Amino acid sequence: SQKIEQNSEALNIQEGKTATLTCNYTNYSPAYLQWYRQDPGRGPVFLLLIRENEKEKRKERLKVTFDTTLKQSLFHITASQPADSATYLCALANNAGNMLTFGGGTRLMVKP
Amino acid sequence: EAGVAQSPRYKIIEKRQSVAFWCNPISGHATLYWYQQILGQGPKLLIQFQNNGVVDDSQLPKDRFSAERLKGVDSTLKIQPAKLEDSAVYLCASSLDLVDRDFPYEQYFGPGTRLTVT
Repeated sequence: SQKIEQNSEALNIQEGKTATLTCNYTNYSPAYLQWYRQDPGRGPVFLLLIRENEKEKRKERLKVTFDTTLKQSLFHITASQPADSATYLCALANNAGNMLTFGGGTRLMVKP
Repeated sequence: EAGVAQSPRYKIIEKRQSVAFWCNPISGHATLYWYQQILGQGPKLLIQFQNNGVVDDSQLPKDRFSAERLKGVDSTLKIQPAKLEDSAVYLCASSLDLVDRDFPYEQYFGPGTRLTVT
């Protein structure tokens, strides 16, 4: 069966360090993968998209990698700030790219 | 630009009662989605509309859930009768158009409606 796994345990890091979140999947051939941020009481907000034929994408302090052999995406936040504290969701598109399935999310806590 | 609007923000009902949620997507967005997010989990797609037609409702429990998007703009999601396991946040999202591998438009989410069934 298809599975998307994100670390359900919260990730606690110190301000200024790099946060690395993992998204693993099985039995998928995703056309692309997206990362969203969700704050308590709010809907998810789109951050980055990476296609199946791309290895890495960057946007300001954010970097996403996509390894279709390992079936894994890594999401990095460099020079993390307390304001980066939130839950981060990965979402995989099916092969046709017309439907997203979300992982369970990882909560990130950045301590000052 | 106004975002996706949803109402109500919170709703508490007893099991077997009915409830309806409303969503107004971003102006000009042709595609509208309803998701269910149970506490501690990611959003799960219930139904997807393109204008006023249903694109995918394979994960909608049709014995109790219904949704419509009349005139291709606003949408309502109804649960009748509600069960305890329906307690969740119901998120509405919209995107510019139908998403595919060549045009992976991002989805814009509303704040959600938190439903508690007692």
